[in-house]
Amino acid sequence: TQLLEQSPQFLSIQEGENLTVYCNSSSVFSSLQWYRQEPGEGPVLLVTVVTGGEVKKLKRLTFQFGDARKDSSLHITAAQPGDTGLYLCAGFRGGGADGLTFGKGTHLIIQP
Amino acid sequence: ETGVTQTPRHLVMGMTNKKSLKCEQHLGHNAMYWYKQSAKKPLELMFVYSLEERVENNSVPSRFSPECPNSSHLFLHLHTLQPEDSALYLCASSQDRYGFTGELFFGEGSRLTVL
Repeated sequence: TQLLEQSPQFLSIQEGENLTVYCNSSSVFSSLQWYRQEPGEGPVLLVTVVTGGEVKKLKRLTFQFGDARKDSSLHITAAQPGDTGLYLCAGFRGGGADGLTFGKGTHLIIQP
Repeated sequence: ETGVTQTPRHLVMGMTNKKSLKCEQHLGHNAMYWYKQSAKKPLELMFVYSLEERVENNSVPSRFSPECPNSSHLFLHLHTLQPEDSALYLCASSQDRYGFTGELFFGEGSRLTVL
């Protein structure tokens, strides 16, 4: 079973700072998603990356898929308290029981 | 109206109770999923339904029994649960089974506590 390692597990920073969280694996994925989950809610899809080296931007969030499609990063510029949440990455290898693998997530707290 | 709705949002039950979790999706999707989310663990896939047919059952104990009467509704029937079954149960849907890129649309979750 492939694993997706997310780092750091916990991150607490001040409003206005920049940060990067990582999602790493030894397996190749055909696509990778990032989700954000707020306390007491379900995960909400932020972005899907499918091409090695792809960079996608969502306002202050920048997502990058590694060239080898084994890893991804999420960079947040000028973090806001509204960015607080659990960030999950999920790697997709195709259909089947192990087609979608989730990481344990990064708990992010942005302090005002 | 949210795309995927789960009820109840919170449930407390004893080990001998029988209860059910309900999920309804308004997205016109053909596949629905149950996931279990526990602290410090990745999301665990429990069941997958595609066009109302169960296509995956990831070695889930028989005390969890899914039901999919149509492509918009999914239930998880609970019976004789254990305290370690306490978790957030998430329902999700996708256009087709995992779709082209594996994107899922999740409900808000049902927080289950087993006493």
